[in-house]
Amino acid sequence: DAGVIQSPRHEVTEMGQEVTLRCKPISGHDYLFWYRQTMMRGLELLIYFNNNVPIDDSGMPEDRFSAKMPNASFSTLKIQPSEPRDSAVYFCASSKIQGARYEQYFGPGTRLTVT
Amino acid sequence: GENVEQHPSTLSVQEGDSAVIKCTYSDSASNYFPWYKQELGKRPQLIIDIRSNVGEKKDQRIAVTLNKTAKHFSLHITETQPEDSAVYFCAAVEGYSTLTFGKGTMLLVSP
Repeated sequence: DAGVIQSPRHEVTEMGQEVTLRCKPISGHDYLFWYRQTMMRGLELLIYFNNNVPIDDSGMPEDRFSAKMPNASFSTLKIQPSEPRDSAVYFCASSKIQGARYEQYFGPGTRLTVT
Repeated sequence: GENVEQHPSTLSVQEGDSAVIKCTYSDSASNYFPWYKQELGKRPQLIIDIRSNVGEKKDQRIAVTLNKTAKHFSLHITETQPEDSAVYFCAAVEGYSTLTFGKGTMLLVSP
């Protein structure tokens, strides 16, 4: 398996623009997570899905952020409008419960810079 | 919700020394405690985990201990090597819900 795939790897945009981040989870995984990582706040969970259904979006910072998972192999995180404080690395992760093991596999991340 | 505290935030050791990173958690219902390693510019990757029915687990040079009564768990790395330099995150979870991560420890191993 290719692992979790994210695109783009880097995104530079101007304040006010719409940004869409994309994620393809590992085939067969039924959980998908979106995280944001910054030096100040560390690794924050934004939202997670189980079987394509959003379960907890309490980490989404505000209404400018939205996430969808239209099918088991694709998810998007959208920021509209973007602001400089949204600059961070955004990770997508997927997992599947296998016995006592519960490993989340992270994608390579998208480094977002909003100027 | 769960709250995970991690210490220290940075740790510098000489090659060959041991390194210990400590975490505490708040939710007594948490029963799974993974540790992730993140090298510079890379993604976090699981290196070891422990469930609440186990007190200690070892995998070559790394080990994790868990004290459920005190609600703390630790990562131990022996015979550190320069390639161990990275940021290490602890996490806690109840059941198969969401992971709550600590803020991370930057480990620097000097040759």
